Formats: sequence, structure tokens, C-alpha cells
Amino acid sequence: TQLLEQSPQFLSIQEGENLTVYCNSSSVFSSLQWYRQEPGEGPVLLVTVVTGGEVKKLKRLTFQFGDARKDSSLHITAAQPGDTGLYLCAGAREGSARQLTFGSGTQLTVLP
Amino acid sequence: KAGVTQTPRYLIKTRGQQVTLSCSPISGHRSVSWYQQTPGQGLQFLFEYFSETQRNKGNFPGRFSGRQFSNSRSEMNVSTLELGDSALYLCASSLLIGQYEQYFGPGTRLTVT
Repeated sequence: TQLLEQSPQFLSIQEGENLTVYCNSSSVFSSLQWYRQEPGEGPVLLVTVVTGGEVKKLKRLTFQFGDARKDSSLHITAAQPGDTGLYLCAGAREGSARQLTFGSGTQLTVLP
Repeated sequence: KAGVTQTPRYLIKTRGQQVTLSCSPISGHRSVSWYQQTPGQGLQFLFEYFSETQRNKGNFPGRFSGRQFSNSRSEMNVSTLELGDSALYLCASSLLIGQYEQYFGPGTRLTVT
């Protein structure tokens, strides 16, 4: 059982559309990160959220941490082909040694 | 500032052999973590090193081991390779232990035949 469930698993959309990716858990996290990974490369850190209810914006990307720090979402506005990649959420659990748990990932394809 | 580097990038081994992978963290970063990524299991934490000591370990058999040197460079070793060990092995560094932001290298693609 995945500690962090990501949905959807696959997403294929047209350029210009908006999308939201979800990362859910029954556990509380001290912090949560979002990464993007391209084929043949390691994940690249996009953002870290640490406060319940926190919202961070990175250009067309908006990240939100749930009030209870159990879930997070990533919203992309006007998606572009360059946004294509595997999006991973990763959380550090409260009360445990610092160990990131990764979600299963969302494979996003933005078609031109 | 140079990023995390991993060598080799690609490796093909035979069942029963052993393999050593190398990771050089970002200059000044002292914590190095290793992950295994497979299509079925996703990204799974192997272990973390800080100041040449293993500080945290994931749920992997003892065939997986690692070490860290005084210059923070790290190596990971897998003995008695199995077909299921085929994966992308990722190294990530962070400035200090206890910091959640990790910076990943490009990975080593290990294929066991």
C-alpha cells in the first residue's frame, strides 16, 4: 500500500488546458515536496510546502498543502508541451526519522 | 555550482555479480541519500549518509550497502545481484541532515541479466 497516493496516474491533455494533480495520504507530513522528472534524468525539485493551508505559486504552477497536512495538489494553468514529465510528490512523515516517501507519480503529456 | 553527479550512467551486470555505484554531491552538501526507482514500485528510499555515518535506512535486504567518505562522496554497493535489482538508482544530496529539500543526480541505470 502506497503511503502517498497520486491521481491521476496518467494524464494527456492539449496545450492550453488546465489540470490538477492530487497527492493524498492518511498520514500527517511535516513537509511535502513536488518534483518533476524527465526521461533519463533524476527528479528536479519544484517546491516545498511546510505549513497547513499553504499555497505557493511558481509561474503557471500552483501548489497547495492541505490544512491537515495530509494532502497536496498541483495545478497547472495553460499547460505547455514543456510541462510534460513525471510529477512526483514526496512527504516527510511526522515523528519518524527524516525519510522521504514518494508517491507513485503522475505521468503528464501535453500535446501541441 | 555543479549538480549531483553519478557514475556510471549505465551498467549491465549478470546475476550473482556485485556492483558499486558512485555519487558526488553538490559542493558543500553533506547529506547523501540513495533511492531505487522501478516502474512497479516507484521511488523507494535505500539509505542516507551524513558525516560518513549511515543515519537512516529503508526496507532493503543486506545485499544493499553504502558508505560515505570524508569529502561527502558516497558509494552504494549491491552484492549477489538479482534480476529484480534492475532499476534506476538515484542519489540525492542536501546541505545538512534534517533538511527536506533534496537535489537529485541523473541516476545510474542498472540492468541485471
